[in-house]
Amino acid sequence: GEDVEQSLFLSVREGDSSVINCTYTDSSSTYLYWYKQEPGAGLQLLTYIFSNMDMKQDQRLTVLLNKKDKHLSLRIADTQTGDSAIYFCAENHGGSQGNLIFGKGTKLSVKP
Amino acid sequence: DAMVIQNPRYQVTQFGKPVTLSCSQTLNHNVMYWYQQKSSQAPKLLFHYYDKDFNNEADTPDNFQSRRPNTSFCFLDIRSPGLGDAAMYLCATSRDSGARADTQYFGPGTRLTVL
Repeated sequence: GEDVEQSLFLSVREGDSSVINCTYTDSSSTYLYWYKQEPGAGLQLLTYIFSNMDMKQDQRLTVLLNKKDKHLSLRIADTQTGDSAIYFCAENHGGSQGNLIFGKGTKLSVKP
Repeated sequence: DAMVIQNPRYQVTQFGKPVTLSCSQTLNHNVMYWYQQKSSQAPKLLFHYYDKDFNNEADTPDNFQSRRPNTSFCFLDIRSPGLGDAAMYLCATSRDSGARADTQYFGPGTRLTVL
């Protein structure tokens, strides 16, 4: 079946790096996504990675993909208090039109 | 500039009273999606439109309906809201859904309260 798993909470100090992990089960996933959700707001697309890539870097964000282990991670360098939010990992279920399968989200708390 | 707009941001309705949530987009995307997100849970896809073609998820209750009168607008109708339908409802769009993944862009959501 389709399942995306994430740890629910992560707490870091301002200036440290944050690493949010995700595992998925659908090996046919073409793209994997990271979305950010601030309180009371919609989902903001942060970054995504194509399944034939191992790594993608975008400013403070680094995405690592281990396709063999079906493991995805998001590293945020120099974490700021404005990074406090819930981060959702999502995979595209290639068989259905545009069907994203989301994890339950990791709540990142950044302490000053 | 807002690209996916949802109105209202907060909606209160009474148990059993029909309610309509609205979504509009300025991206001219072919595909529009409605997700339900309950507290501390992942968003769950209810249905989507590929152009005028409606695609319902197998486990979406009949109580939920949708209309897409034109490219820009899509509505979510809840015919008889129950207490369990209280949630955040997220609208999203993508340019062209197909076998390849297509990035989805989300609106800010409408938080529905059922009294």
